[in-house]
Amino acid sequence: GAGVSQSPRYKVAKRGQDVALRCDPISGHVSLFWYQQALGQGPEFLTYFQNEAQLDKSGLPSDRFFAERPEGSVSTLKIQRTQQEDSAVYLCASSLLSFYGYTFGSGTRLTVV
Amino acid sequence: GNSVTQMEGPVTLSEEAFLTINCTYTATGYPSLFWYVQYPGEGLQLLLKATKADDKGSNKGFEATYRKETTSFHLEKGSVQVSDSAVYFCALSVPLGANNLFFGTGTRLTVIP
Repeated sequence: GAGVSQSPRYKVAKRGQDVALRCDPISGHVSLFWYQQALGQGPEFLTYFQNEAQLDKSGLPSDRFFAERPEGSVSTLKIQRTQQEDSAVYLCASSLLSFYGYTFGSGTRLTVV
Repeated sequence: GNSVTQMEGPVTLSEEAFLTINCTYTATGYPSLFWYVQYPGEGLQLLLKATKADDKGSNKGFEATYRKETTSFHLEKGSVQVSDSAVYFCALSVPLGANNLFFGTGTRLTVIP
């Protein structure tokens, strides 16, 4: 597609609920990243895929967070047993090469109540 | 390690004023440097980039020069407009390793007529 598409745009979850956030990158982009942006902060790296391989998951804050990209295109970020501190905007970005910069989606705003 | 330090906001300017937002970095390896902009209610957009020392990135009247000797990438614009009101993020990526972006905390700019 023309840009990086994320869904849903907004998600309200009750504490303890599982959520799944979807990212549809630009067609042909090999690299895919997930970031977490807390209110008033810069985005923080969560995880990185090159095609279907998850090469770095060092930023995932706990084992409740899980990401996959099984066919090297669409990616899903899953958060199990959501907590209030998980409330943030979750950004997805894709790239051909870091040299060219990254294209970000509009993000999913997750609010845990 | 890799990190970005940028000028704290918020910054409020009158229309047609000169803008500088300072950004300095530390990096392992030779980073590429970026400025991203986030308009209200929208995702991050790449504003400009520079990939080697003394390169000048420019776009929409904004400029930033990659200064290796001072490890800086300050953002400037000669005459701001109300439509420039947004949050500006300085970022770097390093070609080796996780290949992800490291962001500053962002600087909120408000331009008043």
